[in-house]
Amino acid sequence: RKEVEQDPGPFNVPEGATVAFNCTYSNSASQSFFWYRQDCRKEPKLLMSVYSSGNEDGRFTAQLNRASQYISLLIRDSKLSDSATYLCVVIPQRYAGNNRKLIWGLGTSLGVNP
Amino acid sequence: DAGITQSPRHKVTETGTPVTLRCHQTENHRYMYWYRQDPGHGLRLIHYSYGVKDTDKGEVSDGYSVSRSKTEDFLLTLESATSSQTSVYFCAISVRQGKNTEAFFGQGTRLTVV
Repeated sequence: RKEVEQDPGPFNVPEGATVAFNCTYSNSASQSFFWYRQDCRKEPKLLMSVYSSGNEDGRFTAQLNRASQYISLLIRDSKLSDSATYLCVVIPQRYAGNNRKLIWGLGTSLGVNP
Repeated sequence: DAGITQSPRHKVTETGTPVTLRCHQTENHRYMYWYRQDPGHGLRLIHYSYGVKDTDKGEVSDGYSVSRSKTEDFLLTLESATSSQTSVYFCAISVRQGKNTEAFFGQGTRLTVV
């Protein structure tokens, strides 16, 4: 089993739709979680961190479910500009000291259509 | 903007030639990473560094070497380029923000080996 798994999609939704992605992780001791956004032929950029209590940033809501070992990203009122690949990132607790590795999912592709 | 620049941004090289990619950061961050990104594989860690002259291998390190003689520069060398090393290469840093660690990327280097 991969350490971090995402459904690659593509998810194709109309403008205004609500869409949700999940990302599962295998290491139950993982400590930090993030969602990144990557536009075509560009570098990944941080979208939001995922906190234990859940967090919201405008139309975006991120949640962590430790019991089931997944994080989620919910996008409300989708815009054309939301079309991108969404990557989840996990930092496992077992990587400590000099070994601050980031474990990346392969990404979920979202297309928002007019 | 975490002050990361990669050079060159694009390069075409011939099989068997050595190639060096440079990552430069302006904010004295300790952790630096080199990734390659290919369709279907996502971001794969090549090498990373946790300080000057302190480096370690990632999951796809064969055929690559790195050096970090100064905090601000992390160099990736393809000792003898092969067509399988045609890829987009991203440099990243990780930064501790409170309890969390976030990654910031350079704009990427598109390398084509012919």
